[in-house]
Amino acid sequence: KAGVTQTPRYLIKTRGQQVTLSCSPISGHRSVSWYQQTPGQGLQFLFEYFSETQRNKGNFPGRFSGRQFSNSRSEMNVSTLELGDSALYLCASSILTDRGIGELFFGEGSRLTVL
Amino acid sequence: GQSLEQPSEVTAVEGAIVQINCTYQTSGFYGLSWYQQHDGGAPTFLSYNGLDGLEETGRFSSFLSRSDSYGYLLLQELQMKDSASYFCAVRALSNDYKLSFGAGTTVTVRA
Repeated sequence: KAGVTQTPRYLIKTRGQQVTLSCSPISGHRSVSWYQQTPGQGLQFLFEYFSETQRNKGNFPGRFSGRQFSNSRSEMNVSTLELGDSALYLCASSILTDRGIGELFFGEGSRLTVL
Repeated sequence: GQSLEQPSEVTAVEGAIVQINCTYQTSGFYGLSWYQQHDGGAPTFLSYNGLDGLEETGRFSSFLSRSDSYGYLLLQELQMKDSASYFCAVRALSNDYKLSFGAGTTVTVRA
């Protein structure tokens, strides 16, 4: 079956702009989570959604927002981009319906460069 | 909050055994997972330990001791393709069940 699909794969923005990233989970997976990955910082948790509800949010400023649609697809938005937002943004989906850790299936990520 | 500690780098030769330790500080611990990420690739799931003990999956094994807040990933019969970053991850009540990853261990396999 198809894996987690993230679009776009690469994008370049300038400071002050905003960006929207998209994630299509594996069919049947209702849980979607987002992570920011930067060198030396590892994977930092951004959000987690289940059935269109945000279950959890990481320690990021309000410029970072997200949502999940009825078909489980998810988007995240970063407004007023800063240079420090340059990172690989990873989306993961899971079949889990509770807070068990289980197995996450990651997409290839969207690499954002802010100039 | 919670913290996870794992070594930043490990280098070994083909055929060797490597153990990557992960210690965590948390309460309401749920379980420990391990992920592998090759350069430029997506993280992929390797193993999950919810209970104490050893889980074996082919050349890779993972161990958990809840009483010691400690786990490890054991890579046996190392191959060049095992050169990658390895992340431990925990979810716990103390962090409102957010999934927390360690900073990752870069494993380099030499011929």
